[in-house]
Amino acid sequence: QLQLQESGPGLVKSSETLSLTCTVSGGSISSSRDYWGWIRQPPGKGLEWIGSMYYSGTTYYNPSLKSRVTISVDTAKNQISLKVTSVTAADTALYYCARGIRGRYSGYELDYWGQGIQVTVSS
Amino acid sequence: QSVVTQPPSASGTPGQRVTISCSGSSSNIESNYVSWYQQLPGTAPKLLIYRNNQRPSGVPDRFSGSKPGTSASLAISGLRSEDEANYYCAAWDDSLSGWVFGGGTKLTVL
Repeated sequence: QLQLQESGPGLVKSSETLSLTCTVSGGSISSSRDYWGWIRQPPGKGLEWIGSMYYSGTTYYNPSLKSRVTISVDTAKNQISLKVTSVTAADTALYYCARGIRGRYSGYELDYWGQGIQVTVSS
Repeated sequence: QSVVTQPPSASGTPGQRVTISCSGSSSNIESNYVSWYQQLPGTAPKLLIYRNNQRPSGVPDRFSGSKPGTSASLAISGLRSEDEANYYCAAWDDSLSGWVFGGGTKLTVL
């Protein structure tokens, strides 16, 4: 059974960089059929896709965050990482990593999710 | 403001059938598979329906999805108190090369 576990600091100061790691167990992130990515949920609000990465290195980012976000993978450690620079209070959210199924021309469903990690940006 | 639209709330009594709609555009809902996610209070979203109308193993057949045309729907029959949750639809967006989510629908079981 695939499991995803997010980790990282729960408190980040405004203008600094948010860094999170997602450790995958029970499967390999080097699968050609998978996207690996991040989704966030501000308090009391809905889900927002941040970005996804294909194991070959191809990345896709939400245009609203693209200038501040980097997603990378470490295949040796079976981990996916997220960095968000110049954070503000608007980046306070529950951050989830998730596996997306890759179709021939598009993504399909997000079938496995981590439990999420709360990140608060403080001034 | 989401590019994919869901009603913010829905409700029903135990045993009833409720439906939740999801509409988008030609770059997402109309041209790609729709998936639905159930988020119980304090938990991570869980895949409920994938590829428009498929149920993952373990999801009761009370839950069904459809995409008859340019929009999608989630139907829950035989409503139970434990179905009270937030429900999100999602689809790949060809313009974004990523997923877009509906704003979510809070289902209340009266």
